Amino acid sequence: GAVVSQHPSRVICKSGTSVKIECRSLDFQATTMFWYRQFPKKSLMLMATSNEGSKATYEQGVEKDKFLINHASLTLSTLTVTSAHPEDSSFYICSAVDRVNQPQHFGDGTRLSIL
Amino acid sequence: AQSVTQLGSHVSVSEGALVLLRCNYSSSVPPYLFWYVQYPNQGLQLLLKYTTGATLVKGINGFEAEFKKSETSFHLTKPSAHMSDAAEYFCAVSLSGNTPLVFGKGTRLSVIA
Repeated sequence: GAVVSQHPSRVICKSGTSVKIECRSLDFQATTMFWYRQFPKKSLMLMATSNEGSKATYEQGVEKDKFLINHASLTLSTLTVTSAHPEDSSFYICSAVDRVNQPQHFGDGTRLSIL
Repeated sequence: AQSVTQLGSHVSVSEGALVLLRCNYSSSVPPYLFWYVQYPNQGLQLLLKYTTGATLVKGINGFEAEFKKSETSFHLTKPSAHMSDAAEYFCAVSLSGNTPLVFGKGTRLSVIA
């Protein structure tokens, strides 16, 4: 089946560091990828929609300068948390959609902890 | 706008007992409905989905869900709970297969031996 790889699975870093998270579709081309954020014991909230070759669409309240999204190819989208602070600590999950309008395939998530 | 309400943030059942996790949705157009399971510190695994057609949907691990338009519900059931079913379950709705998902708040299922 379709596989989405998300890397790294866990990051612990100091405040002020920028962190890049990769989301790759391993066996299909993903025209659209989504980035979600999950707070502890909370549901997933959509942060942004990433379309290959175009600018990401951010949800209301999500700082585009803080959370940089790049979708340079049909198999890779990256989320960069710039100058991360403790309040950015969270579980970030990506998902990818192939061309055939099938359900989204989720990565295993990235646990980001900012000290 | 779409929304999902999951009744009960925590459900506890005995091993072998029926599992029933409730989900109600709101959508202005015919919805795509999903159930996902999440184990600790892991991503989401699709259990089953409803798009069109048969309203009773069978998924993996013995789970099934029934789409009831009149009740705007998509409850998840499993006849007999296993210890391995203990996890967080999310109901989600979308406009189509390639639009963002709107998730419910999740229901944590505990299975008691």
